[in-house]
Amino acid sequence: DSGVTQTPKHLITATGQRVTLRCSPRSGDLSVYWYQQSLDQGLQFLIQYYNGEERAKGNILERFSAQQFPDLHSELNLSSLELGDSALYFCASRAGEGPYEQYFGPGTRLTVT
Amino acid sequence: TQLLEQSPQFLSIQEGENLTVYCNSSSVFSSLQWYRQEPGEGPVLLVTVVTGGEVKKLKRLTFQFGDARKDSSLHITAAQPGDTGLYLCAGAHYGQNFVFGPGTRLSVLP
Repeated sequence: DSGVTQTPKHLITATGQRVTLRCSPRSGDLSVYWYQQSLDQGLQFLIQYYNGEERAKGNILERFSAQQFPDLHSELNLSSLELGDSALYFCASRAGEGPYEQYFGPGTRLTVT
Repeated sequence: TQLLEQSPQFLSIQEGENLTVYCNSSSVFSSLQWYRQEPGEGPVLLVTVVTGGEVKKLKRLTFQFGDARKDSSLHITAAQPGDTGLYLCAGAHYGQNFVFGPGTRLSVLP
């Protein structure tokens, strides 16, 4: 158990819909990262938050957004869903922005039908 | 763009065999991590290496960071079916995010 929790575990929804994925980092970790993993593209970095502020953006679509709340949990919002958005979405946390190790949650499997 | 390459992409071996998988880049990293991921689960951190030439051992797994901190290898001795999974390496620069390689998918047959 990495100490990072994600909900829900599975999510099935239709095209055009909007969903919210939730992540709680390890106790004390300030940085939260979101990744998308699909079969053909591997693990892709989406976005990073540090202590409530956006720090870095990766390959995140404009239809996707995220935020980190004062209690440090984070939410990833996916809207106008398309079939191609079906993937595993992982959250990872890290103590800070230095040479700290990164720990992954169990992921949310999103299926768009 | 920092690219990490991993080889081989797929590896299928018999229980008891030894194997080595590689992670290579043209970039210098301040640290490099190895993860193992099982289907439908999150990657699990195995080790972090930070010093050029560093060697770390985790039971039957031996990790080495290249002297120039551009590459790394993972050697498994006497592989077991429980070692089956996707092995990912991820490199980071100071103050920057981790970049992941595409992974090596290992299958150890009983």
